[in-house]
Amino acid sequence: DAGVTQSPTHLIKTRGQHVTLRCSPISGHKSVSWYQQVLGQGPQFIFQYYEKEERGRGNFPDRFSARQFPNYSSELNVNALLLGDSALYLCASSLEGRRWETQYFGPGTRLLVL
Amino acid sequence: EDKVVQSPLSLVVHEGDTVTLNCSYEVTNFRSLLWYKQEKKAPTFLFMLTSSGIEKKSGRLSSILDKKELFSILNITATQTGDSAIYLCAVEAEDAGGTSYGKLTFGQGTILTVHP
Repeated sequence: DAGVTQSPTHLIKTRGQHVTLRCSPISGHKSVSWYQQVLGQGPQFIFQYYEKEERGRGNFPDRFSARQFPNYSSELNVNALLLGDSALYLCASSLEGRRWETQYFGPGTRLLVL
Repeated sequence: EDKVVQSPLSLVVHEGDTVTLNCSYEVTNFRSLLWYKQEKKAPTFLFMLTSSGIEKKSGRLSSILDKKELFSILNITATQTGDSAIYLCAVEAEDAGGTSYGKLTFGQGTILTVHP
């Protein structure tokens, strides 16, 4: 079975640009969560979507937005990029939002903002 | 604001040693504590703890939660080079509405290096 997939794997952008990161969950998983992991720190929760609805949001500015599609894949959008947005962006999918033992993380997208 | 602190931040041991990793937390409405192992990129689930004093065990790894003192430990016995990784502790807390909406608050992680 395919695990959680994310694209692209690496990305370089300049300040002020916009970026879209994509995540495909494990087949049958209806919940997708996004995390930002800055180098040397633990992941920080950005959003959770379940059945195409936003169920949770972390302490991130409105420049960060996301959506979930009917096939349960998800996109994370970040506008007006700042240097501090450079991080590993992790997507995790699970059967439901709080079934942690069934939650699997993808390999992440490494974003570098210059 | 929910807070999770892990110690030590890094640890270097030799194969066969036993290590203890610590995680303390401050959250308003605790629901569960989770441990993950992160090698390279994707964290992988190790344990979920919800009750005090009940040890969870998987092979050479074990973990226990103390809800009174607000901490958890992760023990690894007879360490192997394959145990080298970042170990992350995360806490799930309920919001004011009684749900958590899948929000996990992570600690900064402990970098474990096991030398042959």
